[in-house]
Amino acid sequence: DAGITQSPRHKVTETGTPVTLRCHQTENHRYMYWYRQDPGHGLRLIHYSYGVKDTDKGEVSDGYSVSRSKTEDFLLTLESATSSQTSVYFCAISGQGVWTEAFFGQGTRLTVV
Amino acid sequence: DAKTTQPNSMESNEEEPVHLPCNHSTISGTDYIHWYRQLPSQGPEYVIHGLTSNVNNRMASLAIAEDRKSSTLILHRATLRDAAVYYCILRDSGGSNYKLTFGKGTLLTVNP
Repeated sequence: DAGITQSPRHKVTETGTPVTLRCHQTENHRYMYWYRQDPGHGLRLIHYSYGVKDTDKGEVSDGYSVSRSKTEDFLLTLESATSSQTSVYFCAISGQGVWTEAFFGQGTRLTVV
Repeated sequence: DAKTTQPNSMESNEEEPVHLPCNHSTISGTDYIHWYRQLPSQGPEYVIHGLTSNVNNRMASLAIAEDRKSSTLILHRATLRDAAVYYCILRDSGGSNYKLTFGKGTLLTVNP
């Protein structure tokens, strides 16, 4: 199994509080991705990174920020959590080349109350 | 990004072959076709990918149309464990954009 871990796996937080989710990899892959998954919407890309300190927006980036200060860690921050951000969040990693496979973490279930 | 179209759901019987279709009529010459699947309560996992030729691996086969505007993921003998959402996506090797975007996929139900 690819070395990718998400933390925490479950979190309940209150509206208006900041929340940071962490994705950690041991594969030294260049590309890292954050997704959210909600019923009826499939996987939607929030942000992605193509190198240390290099990030870009995905389809649903509003309300989220990311940081990647080292290859192995990609952080997703909800500056002020809202109930609409209740979701399951997945991180993925991918090596150089679009012919390489992507590996996904087990997900973080976030509930904003 | 080039888009793909898949049926929302399909049903199969255990031990029978399953053919999951995907249309990608706007595919470019440098797009790779990837398939992933997501088992219940898990993250997606890679299944197979190809560019022009048909591909086989231990999990499945990928049949790519000659014009590359469609492809079919083939599970040769479905098992209950194959019940999942299957995603067909395109990855462009011709640019520097390494976005990895998914549609809603096909929910495969396998009947005992």
